[in-house]
Amino acid sequence: DGGITQSPKYLFRKEGQNVTLSCEQNLNHDAMYWYRQDPGQGLRLIYYSQIVNDFQKGDIAEGYSVSREKKESFPLTVTSAQKNPTAFYLCASAQDRNQPQHFGDGTRLSIL
Amino acid sequence: KNEVEQSPQNLTAQEGEFITINCSYSVGISALHWLQQHPGGGIVSLFMLSSGKKKHGRLIATINIQEKHSSLHITASHPRDSAVYICAVRRGNKLVFGAGTILRVKS
Repeated sequence: DGGITQSPKYLFRKEGQNVTLSCEQNLNHDAMYWYRQDPGQGLRLIYYSQIVNDFQKGDIAEGYSVSREKKESFPLTVTSAQKNPTAFYLCASAQDRNQPQHFGDGTRLSIL
Repeated sequence: KNEVEQSPQNLTAQEGEFITINCSYSVGISALHWLQQHPGGGIVSLFMLSSGKKKHGRLIATINIQEKHSSLHITASHPRDSAVYICAVRRGNKLVFGAGTILRVKS
């Protein structure tokens, strides 16, 4: 079955460490997105990519980095510069920007 | 003020009741999405609409472009409908999300 796989489901980070969240899709979608969800708030866009080897900052890109070397993969790195990284992170993909987005099951990141 | 406002924030219903969740937005959009987030966190897209009304099973979504308002209706609600329902509007390359409505349907 086609879908989006995020791993790991739960992730713990020590202060000062970088961590990378994985997102893989086998839907042959061109566009991929990373969102952050905090309690009581709507999802906020971190980064998005409309095509391989190209990505754009979203509304809250500071402290995060991404790469899009392959169509099916869009990993997100949470760097030590992100001062409040504890959140639920969701990855999504879409055929193009005008199509509905398909979401992964998310990764919950916590600081030890 | 958020660009996308949902009401109510929390909703508890008895099984079988008709449910309405509202979404208002303040900017011009090209489409509006209704999404469902399950307790485990996964999100499913329910509807994408730019005008009129769409129906899928017991779910109905409507949009009024002039009034910048959309509603999601659930007929004959069931405990398995318990979830967070999220409204999102498309602006250019991005979706802007509401904070969600937490729905609990009791048997």
